[in-house]
Amino acid sequence: DAGVIQSPRHEVTEMGQEVTLRCKPISGHDYLFWYRQTMMRGLELLIYFNNNVPIDDSGMPEDRFSAKMPNASFSTLKIQPSEPRDSAVYFCASSLVGQGKGYTFGSGTRLTVV
Amino acid sequence: QQQVKQSPQSLIVQKGGISIINCAYENTAFDYFPWYQQFPGKGPALLIAIRPDVSEKKEGRFTISFNKSAKQFSLHIMDSQPGDSATYFCAAKTSGSRLTFGEGTQLTVNP
Repeated sequence: DAGVIQSPRHEVTEMGQEVTLRCKPISGHDYLFWYRQTMMRGLELLIYFNNNVPIDDSGMPEDRFSAKMPNASFSTLKIQPSEPRDSAVYFCASSLVGQGKGYTFGSGTRLTVV
Repeated sequence: QQQVKQSPQSLIVQKGGISIINCAYENTAFDYFPWYQQFPGKGPALLIAIRPDVSEKKEGRFTISFNKSAKQFSLHIMDSQPGDSATYFCAAKTSGSRLTFGEGTQLTVNP
């Protein structure tokens, strides 16, 4: 298995632009999570899905953030418009309930908003 | 009550020494306690995990000690190596819920 695949690995964009981060979870996993990591706030859960349905989006910081999971093999996190304070590493993770092996994280997308 | 408190924030250990990272929780419904290891530029990776029905779990040089009455658990890295230098996160969850992560500990093992 190729693991959780995120793209792009790095994204540099100007303030006000739309940014779309992509994630392909491990095949067969039924949970998908989006996290944001910064030095100041550590790992923050933004939103998670179960069987493609959003379960908890209380961590999404503002209406500028949105996430979708149109099918079991793809999810996106969109920021529009982007701001410098959105600069962080964004991780996607997936898991299979009952597997007992925790989450598998992708390698992350480092976002820089200038 | 969903929080997991982790300490220390950073830790420097000499090669061959023992690294100890501690976590505390409040929610007694937590039933799964994993530790994640994160190297620079990578996502966190599951290192070792324990369930509350045992007090200790060992995998190679890594041991989790679990104290249910004190609501604390810790990671011990024996014979620490420079390659162990990474950020370590403890976490906890209840059945069917999401993981709650600690704040992370940056471990540096000096040669």
